[in-house]
Amino acid sequence: DVKVTQSSRYLVKRTGEKVFLECVQDMDHENMFWYRQDPGLGLRLIYFSYDVKMKEKGDIPEGYSVSREKKERFSLILESASTNQTSMYLCASKPAGTEETQYFGPGTRLLVL
Amino acid sequence: QKEVEQNSGPLSVPEGAIASLNCTYSDRGSQSFFWYRQYSGKSPELIMFIYSNGDKEDGRFTAQLNKASQYVSLLIRDSQPSDSATYLCAVIAGNQFYFGTGTSLTVIP
Repeated sequence: DVKVTQSSRYLVKRTGEKVFLECVQDMDHENMFWYRQDPGLGLRLIYFSYDVKMKEKGDIPEGYSVSREKKERFSLILESASTNQTSMYLCASKPAGTEETQYFGPGTRLLVL
Repeated sequence: QKEVEQNSGPLSVPEGAIASLNCTYSDRGSQSFFWYRQYSGKSPELIMFIYSNGDKEDGRFTAQLNKASQYVSLLIRDSQPSDSATYLCAVIAGNQFYFGTGTSLTVIP
């Protein structure tokens, strides 16, 4: 079974703090993704990576950065957390290939006060 | 225009009925189509995928794809209260994954 894990299920941070969200997958997948999910807005892609040290901006990259130093690990960084970044953050991974599905981690619910 | 459109619902059906969920997409070059189920507070999980025109059945679930009309649907037969969730449609176009905003389904006992 594919396993995608995220470092925290719940996180509370203060405005201005630097926040690290980590995602690890154990299936040697090439592609990894970070989404945020908000009521009524669905899943919105923040960044994705198709290989180590490679990254591409998604639909809403502002205020975020990412790091992929190892194939199995994809980190999302909030440089200076703001209240409008309170959300559910979902990591996903998939093998290369257009017919392959994404596998999601359990999600991190982040509250920025 | 969004890449993937879904009726947000909520859709309510009685237990034992057929639930019909629909999704339309804008890119005619879309190649692969997925349905995910997401329970409240949980992450999406894949329930069906379909690549070719026509129907694909898996237990109580049937996915239907019509590329000419650019829609994909999910039928849930003999709906159960445990099917109450949000259903997300997703499409791969080019090398990109696009998700709809989801349809909320409630199955009433």
